[in-house]
Amino acid sequence: AAGVIQSPRHLIKEKRETATLKCYPIPRHDTVYWYQQGPGQDPQFLISFYEKMQSDKGSIPDRFSAQQFSDYHSELNMSSLELGDSALYFCASRSGGRRGTEAFFGQGTRLTVV
Amino acid sequence: DAKTTQPNSMESNEEEPVHLPCNHSTISGTDYIHWYRQLPSQGPEYVIHGLTSNVNNRMASLAIAEDRKSSTLILHRATLRDAAVYYCILRDYNNNDMRFGAGTRLTVKP
Repeated sequence: AAGVIQSPRHLIKEKRETATLKCYPIPRHDTVYWYQQGPGQDPQFLISFYEKMQSDKGSIPDRFSAQQFSDYHSELNMSSLELGDSALYFCASRSGGRRGTEAFFGQGTRLTVV
Repeated sequence: DAKTTQPNSMESNEEEPVHLPCNHSTISGTDYIHWYRQLPSQGPEYVIHGLTSNVNNRMASLAIAEDRKSSTLILHRATLRDAAVYYCILRDYNNNDMRFGAGTRLTVKP
């Protein structure tokens, strides 16, 4: 069965550079979540989208932006990268709706800022 | 999302049952109780969810208190592969906000 695909799996950037992370949800899933997980920390919710519109916002820095496209894939754009942005970034997808369906997570993108 | 409280860590012996508690005293009527787990170096993985009644699936059981202010994830026979961080999350079905708190790190001893 198709899973959530994230690319790239690994990314190394220098301070002040920009990075774009991509997420391809499971087919027919209309909701996407982004999370940041620093070393030894719990996943922190950044932002979510439902039907290509921003749904909820968490602790996403102003330097970051995200969107969901017409094919439901999502991109997280990160500018003016800082050392503290080094983390695992997870994307998750689910079917929207009111019945509490489960979310499926990708394997993550490991971003290292040097 | 309403806040949840879980123990930082728990230990279990292999092939014994494990009961992982979660307190969510400020839960609202529209909050589903979700459990996820994260194995080392992997993304979180769905375990189970429920609203009011106890739930069973092939991975685990979820026991929900009558007042819904607490719940317990039950692994019937822990294996070494169940060693992970377990997260209890409340998700309001009216929105798409799904936030992780501090989970429970489960260690399974052979």
